[in-house]
Amino acid sequence: AQSVSQHNHHVILSEAASLELGCNYSYGGTVNLFWYVQYPGQHLQLLLKYFSGDPLVKGIKGFEAEFIKSKFSFNLRKPSVQWSDTAEYFCAVEYGNKLVFGAGTILRVKS
Amino acid sequence: KAGVTQTPRYLIKTRGQQVTLSCSPISGHRSVSWYQQTPGQGLQFLFEYFSETQRNKGNFPGRFSGRQFSNSRSEMNVSTLELGDSALYLCASSLDPTDTQYFGPGTRLTVL
Repeated sequence: AQSVSQHNHHVILSEAASLELGCNYSYGGTVNLFWYVQYPGQHLQLLLKYFSGDPLVKGIKGFEAEFIKSKFSFNLRKPSVQWSDTAEYFCAVEYGNKLVFGAGTILRVKS
Repeated sequence: KAGVTQTPRYLIKTRGQQVTLSCSPISGHRSVSWYQQTPGQGLQFLFEYFSETQRNKGNFPGRFSGRQFSNSRSEMNVSTLELGDSALYLCASSLDPTDTQYFGPGTRLTVL
């Protein structure tokens, strides 16, 4: 079955710390990859996406993600987090025309 | 450009009733997908519509159904509501099934 695994359910960081959230997916041929974010009280927003080309993808608000095909991974990174990055982050993989989401990672940034 | 809109935003129903939720996609978007979000199961795909045709369906019982109209607006219906149907129902639209999906704010359904 198609699945997406996010390694950490809760992450707590201090401001200015570096962030890396892991995401692995089950093999399913060609896939499109996404990271979404849900800030407290707001709806789901697209952070970044990878369809093809450069495996290092830059998104909004200083986030980036690297697609490593051999590891079936698409990890999200940010060099220096801010308090406003406190949110839940979802990795999603598009298999065919269906988006499969990971369980989400709740990030809390302490000021 | 206006985003995806969903109505109503909040709904309270009792077991056994049925409910209809509405989604208006971003202007020009012809593909609409529905998702259910719960604390226990996370985000799960319900179904996808494109040009008034259901293209994909997730693993949900037949009580969950949907449709899409010629103006791309979509509705989903849940009949014979159960307590476990309490969730946030999200709609996402895209230009076509191969394009990035953009999500609406969701409809919070509570079943008592």
